[in-house]
Amino acid sequence: EADIYQTPRYLVIGTGKKITLECSQTMGHDKMYWYQQDPGMELHLIHYSYGVNSTEKGDLSSESTVSRIRTEHFPLTLESARPSHTSQYLCASSGYRGATEAFFGQGTRLTVV
Amino acid sequence: GENVEQHPSTLSVQEGDSAVIKCTYSDSASNYFPWYKQELGKRPQLIIDIRSNVGEKKDQRIAVTLNKTAKHFSLHITETQPEDSAVYFCAASYMNSGGYQKVTFGTGTKLQVIP
Repeated sequence: EADIYQTPRYLVIGTGKKITLECSQTMGHDKMYWYQQDPGMELHLIHYSYGVNSTEKGDLSSESTVSRIRTEHFPLTLESARPSHTSQYLCASSGYRGATEAFFGQGTRLTVV
Repeated sequence: GENVEQHPSTLSVQEGDSAVIKCTYSDSASNYFPWYKQELGKRPQLIIDIRSNVGEKKDQRIAVTLNKTAKHFSLHITETQPEDSAVYFCAASYMNSGGYQKVTFGTGTKLQVIP
């Protein structure tokens, strides 16, 4: 079934650790996004990509980095996790041409202790 | 860039009453306006959308209106039910300087339907 998948769903990790949040979509979309969201609160765009080898920073400053080596895969990496990174991270994708709806993954809830 | 304002931030209504959420946008180039519903602990999902060449769209109990001149659009939910309780996000989509479509979300409205 075409969908967008995020792993892990939940992650508790110690300060200073390097982590990678995975996001993959089987919808054939070119556009992909990463949002940071505290529960029930505003969606903050932190990274986006319009296709392979295309990555841009979003509106919210983030210490994370992303890569887009394959169309279906858009991982987000934190080199050194801090308690301030505790949040939910939502990955999304949307169609290539024109304006279309965004499809969201289930999210990764990250806790840095 | 685009700026989307959404009001109110919280809304409580009695079951069976109507709920209205309003959004304004700043960039007249925006041409696609989706609405997302996010239930507690779940991902946002599209519930209705409208394009700039249409003034109103309806899907059962949900309707969206768009006023391009005033740059505002609204979500209307009639005969509200407890399962309508969620956070609702509006969004405006526009073409940026690179020729790519970019989406800007509103800040969200937490709707509570009281049985």
